[in-house]
Amino acid sequence: SYFLTQAPSVSVAPGQTARITCDGNNIGSKSVHWYQQRPGQAPVLVVYDGRDRPSGIPERFAGSNSGNSATLTISRVEAGDEADYYCQVWDSASDWVFGGGTKVTVL
Amino acid sequence: EVQLLESGGGLVQPGGSLRLSCAASGFMFSNHAMTWVRQAPGKGLQWVSSVTASGFSTYYADSVKGRFTISRDNSRNTLFLQMNSLRADDTAVYYCAKELAGDPSPFDYWGQGTLVTVSS
Repeated sequence: SYFLTQAPSVSVAPGQTARITCDGNNIGSKSVHWYQQRPGQAPVLVVYDGRDRPSGIPERFAGSNSGNSATLTISRVEAGDEADYYCQVWDSASDWVFGGGTKVTVL
Repeated sequence: EVQLLESGGGLVQPGGSLRLSCAASGFMFSNHAMTWVRQAPGKGLQWVSSVTASGFSTYYADSVKGRFTISRDNSRNTLFLQMNSLRADDTAVYYCAKELAGDPSPFDYWGQGTLVTVSS
């Protein structure tokens, strides 16, 4: 089985940069996808294939991936970015795998 | 506009069955793989099952294999999840999701979810 590890929480002041990491064995060789889930809402895809953004997702959301860690960076954080963020990969042995999620709190 | 509307959730006793449906619109349903993802109360996302665009191939998480069956009716633009032998740890909001393109690919649209509660 393949596992993804995320820190449970990250706090950031408005206007600053939030970095959310997702650790997995040789994750740099995989396509990593990121989802935002606001309270009481369905998840929304914000970054896919490591660094691509669906239409409508601001450029403030950026992904990177190397070695054993992937990162979602949110620049110029706004109150509306407060949410849970999940990383996801597809693994041939485990099919779809989600990280445990990181709660981003905007101070 | 892409829309995914789940239905069929509710309260069921342990050992019981439920059939979830997901009505899709706003895209060429028969061209996209579809997936069910669940989220237990206060917990994270868990992939449950996927089906290819044609419906020919299906995939399941180990935790539901042998108990759940995913299917689709491309003539009715509808995705299904038949859930048998339900257990308390199946209690969750169940989301259907559309895969972006290709197989496998990430989930670019999600429904609002339907709550399944397994309890006596």
